[in-house]
Amino acid sequence: GQQVMQIPQYQHVQEGEDFTTYCNSSTTLSNIQWYKQRPGGHPVFLIQLVKSGEVKKQKRLTFQFGEAKKNSSLHITATQTTDVGTYFCAGGSQGNLIFGKGTKLSVKP
Amino acid sequence: DAGVIQSPRHEVTEMGQEVTLRCKPISGHNSLFWYRQTMMRGLELLIYFNNNVPIDDSGMPEDRFSAKMPNASFSTLKIQPSEPRDSAVYFCASSLELTGGTGEKTQYFGPGTRLLVL
Repeated sequence: GQQVMQIPQYQHVQEGEDFTTYCNSSTTLSNIQWYKQRPGGHPVFLIQLVKSGEVKKQKRLTFQFGEAKKNSSLHITATQTTDVGTYFCAGGSQGNLIFGKGTKLSVKP
Repeated sequence: DAGVIQSPRHEVTEMGQEVTLRCKPISGHNSLFWYRQTMMRGLELLIYFNNNVPIDDSGMPEDRFSAKMPNASFSTLKIQPSEPRDSAVYFCASSLELTGGTGEKTQYFGPGTRLLVL
């Protein structure tokens, strides 16, 4: 079946370091969405990418959608303690939105 | 906008008891999703409704789980009888699907119900 794999599962960084999480799909996606879940909270939509090779930025966050529309990445520059949480990618395919298992980011001040 | 509303926020029950989780989607949204989240399995889609009709219930674990959406502003997820392995956070999410939509639109999550079955 359709799968969306996300790596790494966990990432511990020092405040100020960069962070990247990667998302790979077994099938071509129509779109990729990214969500953030703070500890004890619920997933909150961050962004959606639709076009092949698309790159979008939100302040220190950079989102990319691969040329083949099978992979995506989220890069955070100079992490802050407020970036702590779990980042999920969700791939849209055949009418479904499949969530990856998420990357849990911890930031040491 | 109140967002997606879920109740109760926390539920502690004993094995064998019936549990009913409730969800009120965002007004005007026509799709509703129930998810279960655990450390081991991550975020799992249980069932998806579009215009109050169940579209995909392949994620429902077993017959002990049932979901209904009697109208556009209310849905329930019921577990009967509950078991300790059902302990998890259950999220409800809603989205707006356009006619001919493909179920991939942005989903807005509720705060979740934290269920503990002893």
